[in-house]
Amino acid sequence: DAMVIQNPRYQVTQFGKPVTLSCSQTLNHNVMYWYQQKSSQAPKLLFHYYDKDFNNEADTPDNFQSRRPNTSFCFLDIRSPGLGDAAMYLCATSRTSGSGADTQYFGPGTRLTVL
Amino acid sequence: GQNIDQPTEMTATEGAIVQINCTYQTSGFNGLFWYQQHAGEAPTFLSYNVLDGLEEKGRFSSFLSRSKGYSYLLLKELQMKDSASYLCAVRDSNYQLIWGAGTKLIIKP
Repeated sequence: DAMVIQNPRYQVTQFGKPVTLSCSQTLNHNVMYWYQQKSSQAPKLLFHYYDKDFNNEADTPDNFQSRRPNTSFCFLDIRSPGLGDAAMYLCATSRTSGSGADTQYFGPGTRLTVL
Repeated sequence: GQNIDQPTEMTATEGAIVQINCTYQTSGFNGLFWYQQHAGEAPTFLSYNVLDGLEEKGRFSSFLSRSKGYSYLLLKELQMKDSASYLCAVRDSNYQLIWGAGTKLIIKP
């Protein structure tokens, strides 16, 4: 089945220790997104890629970076995690159509804990 | 600014019907989405409305009124597994999704 896969599902890191979260997709969608979601809050868009074009949201902290080496894979790097970065990180994909990006489909998420 | 409003929490009884409302104020409108999110899991797509009216999909229906900036999600024949958060999201003129904080639906036997 075509899907969005995120690894790991649960990640524990120490304060200040870099961590990388990964996302892969078999949907062949050209748009990929990274969201941060804290408990009982709306997902917050961090980055998105239209093909290889990287789009950084204005309020995304510099501590967060992203890479998309090819269509199928996307990575989220947190250079120096703080306690406030503990959250669920969601990867989503969509395709573009004549009217812009279509429905977003989400991976299962990675729950990040910062000790 | 852009804003999506939904009730924080609702409670309903198994077998009943519940309506979850969403009002929005956004820079342009290019469609409204409803997602279901179980605790600790990712959102899953439920419905999409871009024209006024009702879209029905099994036990779930979604309604849109663009002139009123209003949508609702109607869930019929509620089951315990419907206990989840329901997120409303609007695609603005830049085709970015503006998300609501979600409505936590609690189903009681």
